Formats: sequence, C-alpha cells, structure tokens
Amino acid sequence: DGGITQSPKYLFRKEGQNVTLSCEQNLNHDAMYWYRQDPGQGLRLIYYSQIVNDFQKGDIAEGYSVSREKKESFPLTVTSAQKNPTAFYLCASRDRGVVKETQYFGPGTRLLVL
Amino acid sequence: GENVEQHPSTLSVQEGDSAVIKCTYSDSASNYFPWYKQELGKGPQLIIDIRSNVGEKKDQRIAVTLNKTAKHFSLHITETQPEDSAVYFCAAEGWGGGNKLTFGTGTQLKVEL
Repeated sequence: DGGITQSPKYLFRKEGQNVTLSCEQNLNHDAMYWYRQDPGQGLRLIYYSQIVNDFQKGDIAEGYSVSREKKESFPLTVTSAQKNPTAFYLCASRDRGVVKETQYFGPGTRLLVL
Repeated sequence: GENVEQHPSTLSVQEGDSAVIKCTYSDSASNYFPWYKQELGKGPQLIIDIRSNVGEKKDQRIAVTLNKTAKHFSLHITETQPEDSAVYFCAAEGWGGGNKLTFGTGTQLKVEL
C-alpha cells in the first residue's frame, strides 16, 4: 500500500515538553513538507525538504525543528519554545521534476496541550 | 511572497445545484494551481489542478478555470451531491523558492438535501 503515514493520530504535550511527530512515505518522493492547520485558516508551511540531509524554513518555523536523514522519513519536533502548539499537523510529499507535481498529504496528527 | 485569497468562506447549496469557489493570487509568476478537498479530521486530497498554459480543465462534475490576466482561478462543481460536503482549499505555486504551495483559507461547502 503506497502512501504517507503519520503517527500518532493524537498527541498530548505537557508544558515545557518537546514532542516529535512522525511522517513516513513509500512513494519514493524527494520532497517532503510540514504544514500547520488552525481552525478557519489555510495550511501554513513550517518546514520543507527537497532532498535528503537538506531542509529549509517555511513561513512559521519558530519553535519547530526537523531532520531528513532518510528519503522516506521527515520527523517534526515541536519544542517547548512553541507557545501555541495546539493544531492539526499535516505532512506532505511530492516528486521533484521540471513539471510541477501534486503534493500528497498524510492523514494528519492532532496535537493538544495538557 | 505569494498571497492567495479565497471566497466565500462558507457556501450552502441544494443538492443538484452548482457551486463556485473563487481564488485570487498576487504573484504573476505563479503557474500551478491545485484544488484540495478536506473531509473532517483527514488530510487534504487533490481533486483537480491546472497549469498556467491552459485556461480551463474539466474532470466529470468538477472544472477549474484560470484567468492569468486577472490573476484569479475558480472551482466549479456541478450537480452537487451530499458527499461533496467538505472544506475546499485552493493553492498557488510559482517557480523557484523551493516549490512551495501557498494556500487559501478554505471554503466550507455544505450540500443540503
């Protein structure tokens, strides 16, 4: 079954705690993305990676960190510096090419603060 | 950077009627415009996309039109059905800058029986 998996589906964070959201894809896509979605708002880009061992900040990177050690995996850490982490987090991937290709999304992780 | 505005934020139609959602973008260099459908608690799914070298694209009940001069594009859903009820997002992407999509704020479509 090809696709993007995100885990866990729900995640609870305590004050001052770092938490890591998992994103795995078996589509052999080069590029991967993390978005944050808040109610009534569109998707906002946190970080993206176009190739292994390289990543760039998106529009709202403060308080987040990522790594891209493997092509299939792009975990996102929500650090204690992110003061308002409650949101729905979406991971996406796409094939890189001259012609623009679709971004495919995972099912999302909902992060809640205790 | 790119800015995408989407209207309306909510749209209610009767089953069988048509629905139209409109988006405008700011960066004239943008050349790829996908539309996503998101059901409650799930990730967005692509329903149709259009590139700047065409003005219209159709896939069964769904169509997208693009006006590059006015920098706007629209989603048209005909013969709406209850299963079309969802949040719809438009997005725009230009060359360079890491191939980033900029999303609109979404339209909640409700198809009433």
